[in-house]
Amino acid sequence: GENVEQHPSTLSVQEGDSAVIKCTYSDSASNYFPWYKQELGKRPQLIIDIRSNVGEKKDQRIAVTLNKTAKHFSLHITETQPEDSAVYFCAASIAGGYQKVTFGTGTKLQVIP
Amino acid sequence: GAVVSQHPSWVICKSGTSVKIECRSLDFQATTMFWYRQFPKQSLMLMATSNEGSKATYEQGVEKDKFLINHASLTLSTLTVTSAHPEDSSFYICSAPGLAGDTQYFGPGTRLTVL
Repeated sequence: GENVEQHPSTLSVQEGDSAVIKCTYSDSASNYFPWYKQELGKRPQLIIDIRSNVGEKKDQRIAVTLNKTAKHFSLHITETQPEDSAVYFCAASIAGGYQKVTFGTGTKLQVIP
Repeated sequence: GAVVSQHPSWVICKSGTSVKIECRSLDFQATTMFWYRQFPKQSLMLMATSNEGSKATYEQGVEKDKFLINHASLTLSTLTVTSAHPEDSSFYICSAPGLAGDTQYFGPGTRLTVL
C-alpha cells in the first residue's frame, strides 16, 4: 500500500517568513496530492492540491511543487501570518477512482508574531 | 460546495456500551465514504471504506465486529462502536469524495469519550 512520510513534525517561523513542508510517497500509481490544514478539534480543510500532470501550482501565498521522479512534493507558504498556525497534512491517492487517501504524519506550524 | 455533516459532534458513554455515529452528505450523493480515527497529536488513520449497497472494506488491524459500518443510502453512512472501551476514545471523522472521485469532503468529526 501507499506510505506517505512528512517532515518536519514541527516548524516555528517568524511572521512574514516562509514555511516549507516536505512529503514523500511510495506508490508510483498515486497521482493526486492534496494538502490539508487542521485546526485543533476541527475537520481538515483542503488548502491546495496538485495532480501528477503538473509540477507546480500556486494560490496566493500557498504553492505546491511535485517531483514525480523522486516521488516527493512540498508545500510552500510565503509571508506567513499568525492565522497560518495549525497542523498541516499532506496526502496521496489515485484520482478519479474513489480511492482511499493516505495521509502524512502532520506538521505543526507555529507562526510567531 | 459539497457539505458533509456528522452527528453527534461529541458523545460521552460508559465502558461496554455502543455508540452510533452518523455521516451524511447533504447536497450530493456518496456511494463511497471513508471513516478515520484521529488520536491526539496524530494523523488521520483510515479505518474503513464504506460502500453503499455492499460490505465495508476494513483496513488491516481494524476489528470489523467492533466497528460496524452500514451505508444505508446514497447520503448516509453510520459507524457503530460496539462495547466501547476507554482506548476507543478518539476523534472520529468521515469523508466523502466529490464528483471527480478524488477531493475529499470531511465531516466536522465526532469526539468520543469512553469512561
